[in-house]
Amino acid sequence: KQEVTQIPAALSVPEGENLVLNCSFTDSAIYNLQWFRQDPGKGLTSLLLIQSSQREQTSGRLNASLDKSSGRSTLYIAASQPGDSATYLCAVEIIQGAQKLVFGQGTRLTINP
Amino acid sequence: DTAVSQTPKYLVTQMGNDKSIKCEQNLGHDTMYWYKQDSKKFLKIMFSYNNKELIINETVPNRFSPKSPDKAHLNLHINSLELGDSAVYFCASSQVPVNYGYTFGSGTRLTVV
Repeated sequence: KQEVTQIPAALSVPEGENLVLNCSFTDSAIYNLQWFRQDPGKGLTSLLLIQSSQREQTSGRLNASLDKSSGRSTLYIAASQPGDSATYLCAVEIIQGAQKLVFGQGTRLTINP
Repeated sequence: DTAVSQTPKYLVTQMGNDKSIKCEQNLGHDTMYWYKQDSKKFLKIMFSYNNKELIINETVPNRFSPKSPDKAHLNLHINSLELGDSAVYFCASSQVPVNYGYTFGSGTRLTVV
């Protein structure tokens, strides 16, 4: 059974710092990995999608890496801003009869001005 | 706007009632999903439909009945609501095989009193 773990569960840093969020998964047989952002009381916003054949993706100040063999992904946020405060969710896409996402429990990030 | 839209955004109802949540996507995707986010913010798949056909049913009580009139719509009907059904329900869509990731709706917060 695929399990996804995100560390740390919560993180608070001052504005301007670079930071790394970690995601690990137990079964390397994944199809894709997707990072989402969730603001309080809101839906999920897709940040980055890494296909299983890729090792990283970049969008603006965000960079996500994927190491399938070790079951790890990281989300790097450069020059953090208060507007980055949100919960970040990692999800792996697997095929168990059909395709579906398995989520980690998220990292709650707070950027202090 | 291309999106996944859900209605209603909030739903407060008494135990024992029957309620429905509607979902529509205009992305041209052929697969739609219902995910449940519990009080601990953990997201888990409930159902998946591909082109109106049920693909995944993750041991959800049969009080929950999804209905897909066409591939752009996936509604969720819940009978005899219980206190434990209180959660946020997210609709999502993707294109199989997925190369572009999943798109989520903004969620429906269901409160059973």
